[in-house]
Amino acid sequence: DTAVSQTPKYLVTQMGNDKSIKCEQNLGHDTMYWYKQDSKKFLKIMFSYNNKELIINETVPNRFSPKSPDKAHLNLHINSLELGDSAVYFCASSQGSGHQPQHFGDGTRLSIL
Amino acid sequence: EDQVTQSPEALRLQEGESSSLNCSYTVSGLRGLFWYRQDPGKGPEFLFTLYSAGEEKEKERLKATLTKKESFLHITAPKPEDSATYLCAVQAGFNKFYFGSGTKLNVKP
Repeated sequence: DTAVSQTPKYLVTQMGNDKSIKCEQNLGHDTMYWYKQDSKKFLKIMFSYNNKELIINETVPNRFSPKSPDKAHLNLHINSLELGDSAVYFCASSQGSGHQPQHFGDGTRLSIL
Repeated sequence: EDQVTQSPEALRLQEGESSSLNCSYTVSGLRGLFWYRQDPGKGPEFLFTLYSAGEEKEKERLKATLTKKESFLHITAPKPEDSATYLCAVQAGFNKFYFGSGTKLNVKP
């Protein structure tokens, strides 16, 4: 019974396309996150979403847009994909946003051709 | 500038050979320091949270400690199944989470 699940696990697409990644958590958490893990393995936070409040990381291009239909789901839509978007994207959730551990999904590996 | 640095980048141990991983940080207003384990093709798995200098947490062969500038993850008598990448992360404020690049641990039988 997976706690945080992401789909798809792999995504290969052409530059310029638009794609979405879906995330669902069944932990009852009220905060969800998107992270990008680059080739050097650094995890960088992109967004967090707490009780309908979206916190945007200013370094994230506006081609990236998160959407949360409810507390259990946080999707990531990416417009006009670029080569530099190739990475592994992780979804995570926590109860609250202060000093609570985050539970991660297994990632979506995005490859741009 | 807030940052987290982990060392060594990679560590090879023989089964039973104890060692320590280091996580040094420079952040303003530490709210918590987290240790995670990441297996290949998987997401990070939570191990410990430390909140203040002097705090220690233990779980099986792992023990995490925290000072004002760094944290250590001590591994006592490791087994091959402890092989993984260990990530350190700090929270410096709401939505301010910084991860290190990890230490890749390989334990040989």
